[in-house]
Amino acid sequence: EVQLVQSGTEVKKPGESLKISCKGSGYSFTSHWIGWARQMPGKGLEWMGIIDPDDSDTKYRPSFQGLVTFSADKSIRTAYLQWSSLKASDTAMYYCARLDDGFDIWGQGTMVTVSS
Amino acid sequence: QSALTQPASVSGSPGQSITISCTGTSSDVGDYNYVSWYQQYPGKAPKLMIYDVSNRPSGVSNRFSGSKSGNTASLIISGLQAEDEGDYYCSSYTSSSTYVFGTGTKVTV
Repeated sequence: EVQLVQSGTEVKKPGESLKISCKGSGYSFTSHWIGWARQMPGKGLEWMGIIDPDDSDTKYRPSFQGLVTFSADKSIRTAYLQWSSLKASDTAMYYCARLDDGFDIWGQGTMVTVSS
Repeated sequence: QSALTQPASVSGSPGQSITISCTGTSSDVGDYNYVSWYQQYPGKAPKLMIYDVSNRPSGVSNRFSGSKSGNTASLIISGLQAEDEGDYYCSSYTSSSTYVFGTGTKVTV
């Protein structure tokens, strides 16, 4: 079965760092870009950017450039989204998705709550 | 780079057809045929319904169709059913080599 499995719920304090993961299985992980999307509570979806797991080429949407970092480890078929210093406004559900014809496979989402 | 514009809500009766518009610019929807549509139920991950403007993934009902004219793409749901109730988002490739979502539309049956 083709799937993306994301890491679990996180509760962090402002200023802390965080790295969440997205593990692919059932397909050639390096043949498809991975996209990251944010959904703040009660709000719409926002693309954050995409990463090529084969060579870690990244494309960030301007509003997320410099605020987050995408990475990938193709040896373990895993993509990552990380923050160096979280803010309360980073509280959201984060999804990864595989790019094929459209973003056809989605992870289950990782809920990140940032609160003092 | 702003979100694509969608109506906040669209409603219809069972069996009717509805259309959801998605308006962008010549730097996204207007210049690329990489428009896709996603259905999302509350608390669930999005599901791909249409890709490349008008193509349906395997397993998606043929009641869903897509089109594009200029800077505006559209999702048409025909034979509306109760299970179609949810949020719908369009997405487009952009000239910045990234993607942008629409503002989202709540469909009520």
